[in-house]
Amino acid sequence: GQQVMQIPQYQHVQEGEDFTTYCNSSTTLSNIQWYKQRPGGHPVFLIQLVKSGEVKKQKRLTFQFGEAKKNSSLHITATQTTDVGTYFCAGHLSGGSNYKLTFGKGTLLTVNP
Amino acid sequence: EAEVAQSPRYKITEKSQAVAFWCDPISGHATLYWYRQILGQGPELLVQFQDESVVDDSQLPKDRFSAERLKGVDSTLKIQPAELGDSAMYLCASSRNRVSEKLFFGSGTQLSVL
Repeated sequence: GQQVMQIPQYQHVQEGEDFTTYCNSSTTLSNIQWYKQRPGGHPVFLIQLVKSGEVKKQKRLTFQFGEAKKNSSLHITATQTTDVGTYFCAGHLSGGSNYKLTFGKGTLLTVNP
Repeated sequence: EAEVAQSPRYKITEKSQAVAFWCDPISGHATLYWYRQILGQGPELLVQFQDESVVDDSQLPKDRFSAERLKGVDSTLKIQPAELGDSAMYLCASSRNRVSEKLFFGSGTQLSVL
């Protein structure tokens, strides 16, 4: 079945350092979404990428969708303690009729102040 | 801002007992999802509704799990009998429709089976 893989599983950084998490799919995706889950919280939608090669920015966060629409990345510049949490990518399989959204296992980011 | 409501927030039960979780999606959202999240993992889709119809329940253990959304609004997920391996966070989410829309998650029900 469709799999969405994320690396790294964990990342610990000093405040001010940059952070990147990568997402890869075994199949072409129609789009990819990113969610953030704070400790003890629930996933909260961050952004959706649809076009091949698309790049979107939200303040210090930069999201990219690969040319082949099989991979994506989230980059945070100059991390802050408020960035702590688990970042999930989730992809919709290209084609088909179910529009099933499959989540990766996530990357847990911890930030040392 | 409208939210997805879930209850209970926590549930402790003994194995072989029945448990039920309730979800009220954001008003007007046609698509409702039940996900299971094990600690340290990503959410795994159990069942997806479009209005009152099930559109995907391929990962739902149908021998013990059931889900319904009779009037196409709120939904109930039931487990009977509960097993130790069912301990997890059960998240409900909704979206305006199933065509590549963003999901709004509820706070979840944390289930512990003893």
